[in-house]
This record gives sequence, structure tokens and C-alpha cells, in this order.
Amino acid sequence: DAEITQSPRHKITETGRQVTLACHQTWNHNNMFWYRQDLGHGLRLIHYSYGVQDTNKGEVSDGYSVSRSNTEDLPLTLESAASSQTSVYFCASSEDPIPYLSTDTQYFGPGTRLTVL
Amino acid sequence: SQKIEQNSEALNIQEGKTATLTCNYTNYSPAYLQWYRQDPGRGPVFLLLIRENEKEKRKERLKVTFDTTLKQSLFHITASQPADSATYLCALGGNNDMRFGAGTRLTVKP
Repeated sequence: DAEITQSPRHKITETGRQVTLACHQTWNHNNMFWYRQDLGHGLRLIHYSYGVQDTNKGEVSDGYSVSRSNTEDLPLTLESAASSQTSVYFCASSEDPIPYLSTDTQYFGPGTRLTVL
Repeated sequence: SQKIEQNSEALNIQEGKTATLTCNYTNYSPAYLQWYRQDPGRGPVFLLLIRENEKEKRKERLKVTFDTTLKQSLFHITASQPADSATYLCALGGNNDMRFGAGTRLTVKP
């Protein structure tokens, strides 16, 4: 069965370190997204990609970067982790050929809980 | 600025009753609205979508309404069961954008 996986599921790191969170999907979806979820804020979009070599900034992109070298993977990098980036991170993918203009149902991974000390 | 509000952080109801969750929005004209279910420690799972030109959608015990004049969507779960206990998120999409509400945690007591 097709799926979307994230690793690691839990991560503790120190302020200033570089951290990379992995996201891998076997749906063969063109569109992939990274969100963070914090109490009281819901899901907020960090970065998204509509295909290989395409990346776009979302609502809360400062301090994060992504790269898309193949269809299956969209790793999220925190260049220099800060305590404000302690959160639960979700990766999602969707198949809609015209993202956001039609239905764009998103399929979410299980999440990564990141703690920055 | 765009704002999405879900009626309350938590809603407690008795098994068998109808749960009604609210999603209100301002400064936004969504082309569609989606509802997701999220269980603790898991990612959201898509439930229903309703487009701006639709008034109501149903799927089994679920019903969604969308009033673009009131800028509101109502999400109903009829004959609720303890297994329906979860957090429910609304998401508004269109115009190359998609935004989620903070969610309402529903608890159905036996």
C-alpha cells in the first residue's frame, strides 16, 4: 500500500545545531508539504513543493529550508535550531495536478516531535 | 489578516447525540473547505470536502454545511460513538493557498 513516512519520529537537539527531518512518500504525488503544529495555532505551512526542483515558502518559512531532488522525498532542514522551533512537524502530499485550485486532499505522515533545548 | 476559528477547544457530548462543530473564517474567500480528523500522536486524516457552490455534503453519519454569506461551516456527527472522540480540523483552500483551523477536541462519553 502507498504511504507517507517521516523519520525520526522523535528528536531532541540543542540550540544552534542543524537538523534534518525526512519525509518519504510512495503515492507518486507531485505535491509535498511541510507543516508545524503548535497548541492553539493549528497547522501552519512551512514550505511546499509542486514537483522536482520546485520549492516555495509558506507562512512560517524563516529558519527552515527544503530541497526536492526526486518525487518521493522532501527533507526539511533547520539550519540553526532555535527553541521556538520546538514543535510537531507533519509532512503531507497530494496528487492534484493544479494544487489548491481544485480539491487537493492531503495525505499526512505520522509526524515528528522535535524538541530544541 | 485571514483568520479561521473553530468554535471551542473542546466539546463533550453523550453517546448517541449529534455533535456539531463550527468553523468560522474572516478575510478569506475559499474555493472549498475540508474537514480532517486527527487522533493523538497521528497525522490528520481527510474526511469530507465541500466546494463554495455547495450547501451541504453527507457521508454516512457525517454532514457538512457551508454558508459563504455567514462565512461558516458546520460539521455534524450523528449518532455519535466513543470511537468518534478525536480532534477535528477544518481547512480552507483555494487561490494557491490552504489554511487550517486550530481544531476542536471532541469527546463522546458512553
